[in-house]
Amino acid sequence: ETGVTQTPRHLVMGMTNKKSLKCEQHLGHNAMYWYKQSAKKPLELMFVYNFKEQTENNSVPSRFSPECPNSSHLFLHLHTLQPEDSALYLCASSEAPGLAGGNEQFFGPGTRLTVL
Amino acid sequence: GEDVEQSLFLSVREGDSSVINCTYTDSSSTYLYWYKQEPGAGLQLLTYIFSNMDMKQDQRLTVLLNKKDKHLSLRIADTQTGDSAIYFCAERNFGNEKLTFGTGTRLTIIP
Repeated sequence: ETGVTQTPRHLVMGMTNKKSLKCEQHLGHNAMYWYKQSAKKPLELMFVYNFKEQTENNSVPSRFSPECPNSSHLFLHLHTLQPEDSALYLCASSEAPGLAGGNEQFFGPGTRLTVL
Repeated sequence: GEDVEQSLFLSVREGDSSVINCTYTDSSSTYLYWYKQEPGAGLQLLTYIFSNMDMKQDQRLTVLLNKKDKHLSLRIADTQTGDSAIYFCAERNFGNEKLTFGTGTRLTIIP
């Protein structure tokens, strides 16, 4: 496996379900991100983890709960979601922030989430 | 706060040049990026430019930065059907990991 992988690629869940999204990066990076992509809206940064510590929570509702057990893995635990939470959820990773250079973020393919 | 704006759609004939435009509001933006998203895929970094540059060229791609007007453009020469995708402009400040993205421009190639 190379790059950033995400599972599952597609998920349909009811509002009372609990599910988790998984992201894994094989790039040796130290920072990982969750984004939400909705139609016709800019990508919304949800959470940032640096060296397993959460450094950004962009006012995300508590029904989204991230977990970063190590620098290579990032989870997004979902419970009691709403239909408006349906979107593409993208994971990304980068080297430690603040370094000189582009510090580019590498993205996974995303999980297409549908909440019924 | 930061704001990045793009047109939602652009159609170009195959073989012509495509120019995708972006404006941003944060005058302290240090890095400006262009990402490409093909259907069913994540975002792929195409190129980025540091704010002390006004142009960067990489094969068919040319990035122009007008820092005074806070305007960024991506020119794709000899546009091909494989260039059909959504193109996102993004900006970041040095030392800050947060990227601010535009809404994306959907590029459609007309045969």
